[in-house]
Formats: sequence, structure tokens, C-alpha cells
Amino acid sequence: DQQVKQNSPSLSVQEGRISILNCDYTNSMFDYFLWYKKYPAEGPTFLISISSIKDKNEDGRFTVFLNKSAKHLSLHIVPSQPGDSAVYFCAARDSGGSARQLTFGSGTQLTVLP
Amino acid sequence: ETGVTQSPTHLIKTRGQQVTLRCSSQSGHNTVSWYQQALGQGPQFIFQYYREEENGRGNFPPRFSGLQFPNYSSELNVNALELDDSALYLCASSWGQGRTYEQYFGPGTRLTVT
Repeated sequence: DQQVKQNSPSLSVQEGRISILNCDYTNSMFDYFLWYKKYPAEGPTFLISISSIKDKNEDGRFTVFLNKSAKHLSLHIVPSQPGDSAVYFCAARDSGGSARQLTFGSGTQLTVLP
Repeated sequence: ETGVTQSPTHLIKTRGQQVTLRCSSQSGHNTVSWYQQALGQGPQFIFQYYREEENGRGNFPPRFSGLQFPNYSSELNVNALELDDSALYLCASSWGQGRTYEQYFGPGTRLTVT
């Protein structure tokens, strides 16, 4: 039962263009959504997040959009740079329970071509 | 500020053996979460420790156990290793019992079970 899904295992984008990574979820108890970036041989690095009460959050080149009715979120990177090439994980925090653990999607490998 | 560190980096064990993985949390963080990341998958929550007590657990059997020490460092123990336990084990630290959604990850320990 995958509660967080990233249906695109990979994405290639030309340098300078927009990268759009997508994520779908099923659990209505999720109250925060996060994006993590992971380089090989490193742990995931927090990138940007959004509360379930908002529909957009922006931080420099990174913008996350949340559509609660569709249970869908997306990460936009503009402009894309070769250094953005990494695996991107969408994660959601469960508002129930004391641990508030994160549930991750399976990741999307972004390749930005120079 | 010291980041999250994990040891060892790599480990090879035989089926049926026991293993202990270690994690030092980021300075100022009192909560540690452990995740298992199988090849091609996102991290999956194992359990969380807050103030030396298990604070929540994912869908993992009791042979996965842990400890947290007074300095907030943590251990993950796995008994009776199975081939499917081969994965990257990630430790993440944060501050507060479920009050923060930003978790900071270490580089992980790659466990191979033969």
C-alpha cells in the first residue's frame, strides 16, 4: 500500500529549462509535505516543504505546489542547473501518532543536461 | 555545527547473524529516526527514539530493535539477518518529539546480507 507515489522514475531536462517533478498521495492525515534531494553516497538533504493549509511555497529556484483536492504535489525548479541532477524524494508527514514519521515516495532521478 | 554521522559505511554479514549500526545525531537534536532504503525504493520508517524511549514504529518485525543514549546517539540492532535486510540504513535526527518536520539525514550504512 503505497501512500506516497512518484510515478516517474526518471526525468531529463535541458539546462536553463523548467524541471517539474510530481508526487501523488492517498492518506488524508498527512499535514506536511517535503522534498528531499539525494546525491549518490550521501543521505537525503531537505530541500523545501509545504504545509497542508497552503497551496504554494517558494524558495529561490524551487517552488512546491499542493493540490489537496487532487492529493497531488509538484516541485518546480527554474532554471534547472546541472548541479540539480540527483534523485528527488517526495515525503509526507503523518499528523497522527507521536512519531510523526515521514512516508517517502520511491524517488525520481532528475538529469539536467548541459 | 556537526551533522549526522553513521558507522560503519559498509557492512557485509551472513544470513542468521546479528548486526549493530550506529548514529550520532546533529548537535542540538534529541530525536533520532531510522529508515531502511531498499534498492530503487524510498526510505521506509523503522522506528524513532526520543529521550531514550521508542516513540513510534513502522511495519518492521521485533528483530529490529534500537537504543538511544543520554547523548542522543543511537544504535539499530538487527537479529537473525535475512537476505531481504540488504539495504541502505539511514539515520535522521531532529529536535522535539514530532514537533519538527525537518529531519536531517546521515550518509547511511550499506548492509549486504549473503
